[in-house]
Order: sequence, then C-alpha cells, then structure tokens
Amino acid sequence: QKEVEQDPGPLSVPEGAIVSLNCTYSNSAFQYFMWYRQYSRKGPELLMYTYSSGNKEDGRFTAQVDKSSKYISLFIRDSQPSDSATYLCAMTGGDTGRRALTFGSGTRLQVQP
Amino acid sequence: DARVTQTPRHKVTEMGQEVTMRCQPILGHNTVFWYRQTMMQGLELLAYFRNRAPLDDSGMPKDRFSAEMPDATLATLKIQPSEPRDSAVYFCASGLVLGVSGNTIYFGEGSWLTVV
Repeated sequence: QKEVEQDPGPLSVPEGAIVSLNCTYSNSAFQYFMWYRQYSRKGPELLMYTYSSGNKEDGRFTAQVDKSSKYISLFIRDSQPSDSATYLCAMTGGDTGRRALTFGSGTRLQVQP
Repeated sequence: DARVTQTPRHKVTEMGQEVTMRCQPILGHNTVFWYRQTMMQGLELLAYFRNRAPLDDSGMPKDRFSAEMPDATLATLKIQPSEPRDSAVYFCASGLVLGVSGNTIYFGEGSWLTVV
C-alpha cells in the first residue's frame, strides 16, 4: 500500500461546478501538506500549502487537512476550463525526518465549458 | 521571476548511451531534489541534496544512476548505461529548508527522456 493514496480520475465537471479533490495517507508523522497543479507537459506548480490540521483559503481554492482521519482535500469553487490539469497532493514531515515530499499519483481534472 | 532551469528539455537516445541531465536551482535555495515521473508510478523521488551534500538517494538505481552537485548552482543526474525502462520525465526541484520550516519546493519544466 502506498503512503499517499489519490484517486487518479479523470474527473469531469461542467464550468462553474465545485470540485472536491482528496488524498488519504498512512503516515501519522506527516505535518506539511501541499497541493500542486500540473498542466500537460509542464512541471508541477505549488498551489496551496498547509501546516497541520485546519483550513486555508486562497481565492477560489480551499485546502482542508484532517489529521485525525489522515485525509486532505482541495476544493475549487466556480471551476473554470483553465483549471483543467492534474492535481497532486504532497506531504512531508515523515518519521525519518526527511524533508522530501511524498506525492499522490495525481487526479486529472477536466472542466467542460 | 526565479525559476528552476533544466536541460535538456527533450532527449532521445539509444539504449546503452550515457545521458546527463542538468539543473540550475533557484538562487539561494539550499535543497535540490530529483524526481522521476511516469504514468505507472507517478512522481518518485530519486535523490536530494541539502547544502550540496547528498541526503537521500535510496530511490535511485545505484548501478546506473548517479547524482551530484558540483556547486550550488548546478545539479546533475547521470544515467549510464541508459535502458528503455528509463524513459520518463525527470524533474528537478529546489527549495529553501530552514529548520522545521520551509517545505515548499519549486519544480523545473522537466527533462523528457526517451530511450530507444
């Protein structure tokens, strides 16, 4: 079993919909949680960064972390065709003290105009 | 606009040939990562460096892969000899990690490698 699990999708939604993307993880030592967006044939770009549990909002994006359930979410409000990309969750703070990120496999999102 | 720069962007090579990929991290960043991305495995950590010292290369096939940081502005990933199963996108990323803070890293555009 992978340390970080993420549904690969694809997830197809109409423009304007609320999108919910999720990851589960098994390592309780993870403390830093990130969401990256990756457009086709591009490198991942940092979207949201959250430390420990709670919510963080940035424009149309909201990141939630529930450490008790080992579950993180990314919500996209008023989704746009330009949001079509692969979304990768990432986390670190593992028990080895490593600072390298462990990534989910990514969820491919398609927003239909 | 600071960014991680990777070369080459695309490389097609024959099995058995040596491949060297280069990365210029963002100026001032003290941590450099090499990741490999494939459809089947997603993003896998190959190696990473802190202040130019290798911290973890357990994800890297040691018999054919090597990673170095000759100086603070250059990281290299070498494959010798290359095999078709090495075909993937290789990403370099850099970040500034200070103590318990700073776990965000920034990726380059990737080196797209095809071994035939």
